[in-house]
Amino acid sequence: GAVVSQHPSRVICKSGTSVKIECRSLDFQATTMFWYRQFPKQSLMLMATSNEGSKATYEQGVEKDKFLINHASLTLSTLTVTSAHPEDSSFYICSARDQGTGENSPLHFGNGTRLTVT
Amino acid sequence: AQSVAQPEDQVNVAEGNPLTVKCTYSVSGNPYLFWYVQYPNRGLQFLLKYITGDNLVKGSYGFEAEFNKSQTSFHLKKPSALVSDSALYFCAVTSGTYKYIFGTGTRLKVLA
Repeated sequence: GAVVSQHPSRVICKSGTSVKIECRSLDFQATTMFWYRQFPKQSLMLMATSNEGSKATYEQGVEKDKFLINHASLTLSTLTVTSAHPEDSSFYICSARDQGTGENSPLHFGNGTRLTVT
Repeated sequence: AQSVAQPEDQVNVAEGNPLTVKCTYSVSGNPYLFWYVQYPNRGLQFLLKYITGDNLVKGSYGFEAEFNKSQTSFHLKKPSALVSDSALYFCAVTSGTYKYIFGTGTRLKVLA
């Protein structure tokens, strides 16, 4: 089945540093990937839609200069949290849909990245 | 605007008993409905989907869901719960765009 690999699974960084999270589709191509943020005991909040070869589309209220997204190939999207602060600590999850399937096919999710900013 | 409601934050059920996790939706156009399960510190795993056709959809791990258009509901069910079913369950809807709307999640706790 379709697999999405997300790395790292956990990261601890100091306030003011930047952290890069990778999301790879291992056995399918994805022109579009999605980045979510999940707060404790809450649902997933869509942060942005990552588009291969073009700029990401950010949801309202998400700072694009804070959360840099790059989708350089059909199998890789990266999210960089710049100048991280403790309030950025969260669980970040990426997802992708096989571009060979239709709009009603399910999303495939990575296992998430637990970011802790100290 | 699209929306999904999961009215219960938590559902407790005894092992072996049937379980239901509720979901209602609002969408313009035909809905595409999904259920996902999340285990601690993991991403979401796809359980089942409704696109069209038979209102009763069967999915992974013995789960099923019933689409009810008049009640705009898509409740998740299982005839006999297992302790290993304990997890966080999300209902999601899309109306043909690539953007999913997720419910707030329901924590299922199956008691031995």
